[in-house]
Amino acid sequence: AQTVTQSQPEMSVQEAETVTLSCTYDTSENNYYLFWYKQPPSRQMILVIRQEAYKQQNATENRFSVNFQKAAKSFSLKISDSQLGDTAMYFCAFMKPGRGGTSYGKLTFGQGTILTVHP
Amino acid sequence: DTGVSQDPRHKITKRGQNVTFRCDPISEHNRLYWYRQTLGQGPEFLTYFQNEAQLEKSRLLSDRFSAERPKGSFSTLEIQRTEQGDSAMYLCASSPGSKMGTEAFFGQGTRLTVV
Repeated sequence: AQTVTQSQPEMSVQEAETVTLSCTYDTSENNYYLFWYKQPPSRQMILVIRQEAYKQQNATENRFSVNFQKAAKSFSLKISDSQLGDTAMYFCAFMKPGRGGTSYGKLTFGQGTILTVHP
Repeated sequence: DTGVSQDPRHKITKRGQNVTFRCDPISEHNRLYWYRQTLGQGPEFLTYFQNEAQLEKSRLLSDRFSAERPKGSFSTLEIQRTEQGDSAMYLCASSPGSKMGTEAFFGQGTRLTVV
């Protein structure tokens, strides 16, 4: 079974600064997907960024980028130029592949990191 | 289509009562998932549908829980004889299909409080 661990229950950062959220996972799979999801207070969870395990290049989405270290099973999220709207709970999640290369879709989540951006 | 919709948003019930939640996925999505999220924790997988077929159920889903997706569109999650430990946020998500790594879109959840 896969496990996902987020060791930082809470983080804080000043507006416009950079913050990195940590995530480690454990799996015996060679091909899989990793995700960071954002859950603002009382709002629905939305996808921030995804990484395909077979791609060595780290994913980037505007101010969000990841540092994917497959051998170390590490998947950290870097948020640059932090904004007040980035305040939320952030979840790292793992998706294993389905049979025949199709998507299975089931996500295994970490415990989450509460990020607070201060003005 | 404005996304995944869940109803009700909040439910307070007395211990021992039955409750039913509804999820309307994004219309073209054939995959639907239920998760449970307790306060301060990440969501835990409960069950998964592809169209109307329930393909996996977590061991977290006791016999008191049942989920259906009768026509491959909306889904219901019923909890019978609720217990205080059932208090949680119940999240529904949908995704469009078989492509690897397809993003799951989440609803806002139903928060259940058992008193």
